[in-house]
Amino acid sequence: GAVVSQHPSRVICKSGTSVKIECRSLDFQATTMFWYRQFPKQSLMLMATSNEGSKATYEQGVEKDKFLINHASLTLSTLTVTSAHPEDSSFYICSARVDGNYGYTFGSGTRLTVV
Amino acid sequence: GDSVTQMEGPVTLSEEAFLTINCTYTATGYPSLFWYVQYPGEGLQLLLKATKADDKGSNKGFEATYRKETTSFHLEKGSVQVSDSAVYFCALRLNTGNQFYFGTGTSLTVIP
Repeated sequence: GAVVSQHPSRVICKSGTSVKIECRSLDFQATTMFWYRQFPKQSLMLMATSNEGSKATYEQGVEKDKFLINHASLTLSTLTVTSAHPEDSSFYICSARVDGNYGYTFGSGTRLTVV
Repeated sequence: GDSVTQMEGPVTLSEEAFLTINCTYTATGYPSLFWYVQYPGEGLQLLLKATKADDKGSNKGFEATYRKETTSFHLEKGSVQVSDSAVYFCALRLNTGNQFYFGTGTSLTVIP
């Protein structure tokens, strides 16, 4: 079936540094990818939608200059958290829409801790 | 707006116990409803879904029925196993869009 590989699974970084999270579709082409995040005791919330070769669409309240999304190929989307701060500590997970009857597939998530 | 409210965990059960995880939703349109499961170190996997009222989704012994009158989609399993230990997410997606609305997730631990 369709698989999305997400890396890293866990990352700890210092405040003020940038962190890049990658999501790769392993056996299909992902025209559209979605980035979600989950703060403690809250729901997974959609941050942005990325389409290959075009600018991402961000949900209300998500800073596009802070969360840089690049979807330069049909198999790779990246989320870069720039100048990370402790309040960015969260669980980030990507998802891709799969054509046909496969629906949507999700990565394994990245636990980001900013210290 | 559209949202999902899910029973908070964590939930700890003995093997072969009955499981219910409650899920209710609010939707402005006509949603499809889902249960996703996340095993340790893995991605969210679709467990079951229902696309219209009164549909019952089932998989691996788990069941959930789309109840429009109570706006609910409770997950049940008659006899849980240790291998069912995971985090379970209830979600909805409007049939007009791509966005999922998730609950907070419920962590289930099944002890032998």
